[in-house]
Amino acid sequence: DIVMTQSPDSLAVSLGERATIKCRSSQSLTTSNNKNLLGWYQQKPGQPPKLLISWASTRESGVPDRFSGSGSGTDFTLTISSLQAEDVAVYYCQQDYTTPITFGPGTKVDIK
Amino acid sequence: QVQLQQSGPGLVKPSQTLSLTCAISGDSVSRNGAAWNWVRLSPSRGLEWLGRTYYRSKWNKDYAVSVRGRITINPDTSKNQVSLQLSSVTPEDTALYYCARGMVVAGFDYWGQGTLVTVSS
Repeated sequence: DIVMTQSPDSLAVSLGERATIKCRSSQSLTTSNNKNLLGWYQQKPGQPPKLLISWASTRESGVPDRFSGSGSGTDFTLTISSLQAEDVAVYYCQQDYTTPITFGPGTKVDIK
Repeated sequence: QVQLQQSGPGLVKPSQTLSLTCAISGDSVSRNGAAWNWVRLSPSRGLEWLGRTYYRSKWNKDYAVSVRGRITINPDTSKNQVSLQLSSVTPEDTALYYCARGMVVAGFDYWGQGTLVTVSS
């Protein structure tokens, strides 16, 4: 199985400041046609996860442009460029390069 | 607009079978390019993918090793829904269960509302 790790476990950022979350996979998620099969999700209490970014860097429709994803191979990053109050949530990375599909343990983002 | 509506009991006795249904609107369970997944969330395991079914000229199913042998995911084309059955449940199966649509290796873009299932006598 591909193991997904995230760092940090939690972080607190001031409103308007940058938040950066790292995700690492135990093997490469890059396909032969150079696609990175990594997604980022946001989950707020009482709600299902919401897909923010697919293919490591493609923002889903309606997702604010303060969210961005980068990385390839085994190392990926989710950046919130200017944290807003509504961004308080747990963020997960997920690989669907192969089954079993696996998720990272999550990073809790709070306001400092 | 795709919507996934989950239904099923929130309390299951140990050793019995957990059964949930995910009714799909705005899409077809048999559409090529879509896969219908079950995922659960628990404090001990985090987000855990359980399995999926999808149609590519024929029906296919993939299951997580952790539940293989106990899990069945079935499509129902007449009702446009997908079901989850997990047998021989224990308290460790207590979790928030979700169905989710996955597009071809592009993430899970639509989710059901979630069903909290508690395994207890």
